[in-house]
Formats: sequence, C-alpha cells, structure tokens
Amino acid sequence: KNEVEQSPQNLTAQEGEFITINCSYSVGISALHWLQQHPGGGIVSLFMLSSGKKKHGRLIATINIQEKHSSLHITASHPRDSAVYICAVPIQGAQKLVFGQGTRLTINP
Amino acid sequence: GAGVSQSPSNKVTEKGKDVELRCDPISGHTALYWYRQSLGQGLEFLIYFQGNSAPDKSGLPSDRFSAERTGGSVSTLTIQRTQQEDSAVYLCASSLGFFLARHTDTQYFGPGTRLTVL
Repeated sequence: KNEVEQSPQNLTAQEGEFITINCSYSVGISALHWLQQHPGGGIVSLFMLSSGKKKHGRLIATINIQEKHSSLHITASHPRDSAVYICAVPIQGAQKLVFGQGTRLTINP
Repeated sequence: GAGVSQSPSNKVTEKGKDVELRCDPISGHTALYWYRQSLGQGLEFLIYFQGNSAPDKSGLPSDRFSAERTGGSVSTLTIQRTQQEDSAVYLCASSLGFFLARHTDTQYFGPGTRLTVL
C-alpha cells in the first residue's frame, strides 16, 4: 500500500460543478501540501496545511489529522481548473517528501 | 522578484554520457529540493538541501546520481553514465526553510529540465 493515496485518479466534470479530491496517508506527518500541475507541466503550490481548513479563492483544503485524510475542494469549477492535483506529505523524522499519484481533473465547458 | 530557474530547459543526450542540471533558487531561500517526474508517472523526491547542512542522499535512485549546492544557493544535479530510464523531467523547488527537515514551508517550483536519453 502506498503511503499516500489519492482518489479519484481521474475526474471529469462540467463547468460550475463542485469538485472534491481526496488524499489519505498512512504515516505521521507535520503538514500536507496540495500542488497543481498545469497541462504544460508547471507546478504551483496551492496549500500547505497542518490542521483545519484553508481557503484561497474558489479553492478550499481541509485536513483531519486523526483520520489521516485531506480533501481539496473547488467551487464553481471552470475549464481553467483542468490540471493534475497532487498531495504530498513529509515523512516525520526523514528528509523526504512522499507524493500521491495525482488526480487528473478535466472541466468541460 | 525572480522565481526558481532551471537550465537547460531541455537536454538530449546519448546513453552513457554524463549530464549536469542546474537550479537557481529564489534568493534567500535556504531549502532546495530536487524531484523527478518520469513520463506518465508521479513526482519522485530525490534530495533536499537545508542551508549548509549535509543533504540526505538516500532518495537518489542510484550512485550515478549526485547533487551539490554551492554557497547555499545554486545547486547542480549530476547524472553519470546516463541510462534510458533516467529520461524524465527533473524539477527543482525552493522554500524559505524555516523549519529544518519538517518541509512545512510553501515550495516554489522551477519549470523543470526535460532530459531525454537516447
């Protein structure tokens, strides 16, 4: 079992829909990162969170440390949100980050 | 200010040759990361530098891979005797690095170097 699991692997939705991407992890962590990889390959850090919830524009990230689970939500989705979304966790006590396999999101107009 | 830059943006080499990939982090960022993304695969962590501390090299895929960070700034990833399986996009990221080895700072990614080994 991978240390970080994302679901779904692929998600296609219509413009305007509410999107949820999930990330579960099996290791102890100090924080969790959500990244966005554009179709051209560039990677942008969206959130780093260690507890609770963070919001930036139409993006919301939540984390439940006890359940070892995080979600990324997109409200009023738009075709420009189409990208691969990746969660990553640092392994406590190790100089290492472990990544989920990514969720490919496609928003159709 | 300028973001993370990497050079070259593309590198095509023949199997067995050595390559050097360069990363210029954001000025003032003490933490620097190298990652690899093979075609159709997820991101793979390679190595992490924090200030002048010795890096943990255990994430490097083989002893053909090495990395240096001179003066706490520019970093070079060297791959010796390249193999076809080394073909990937090599990404560099930097962060402020306030929290040693906790990786809890926002990372800023470079555009990557696409390496193709023929």
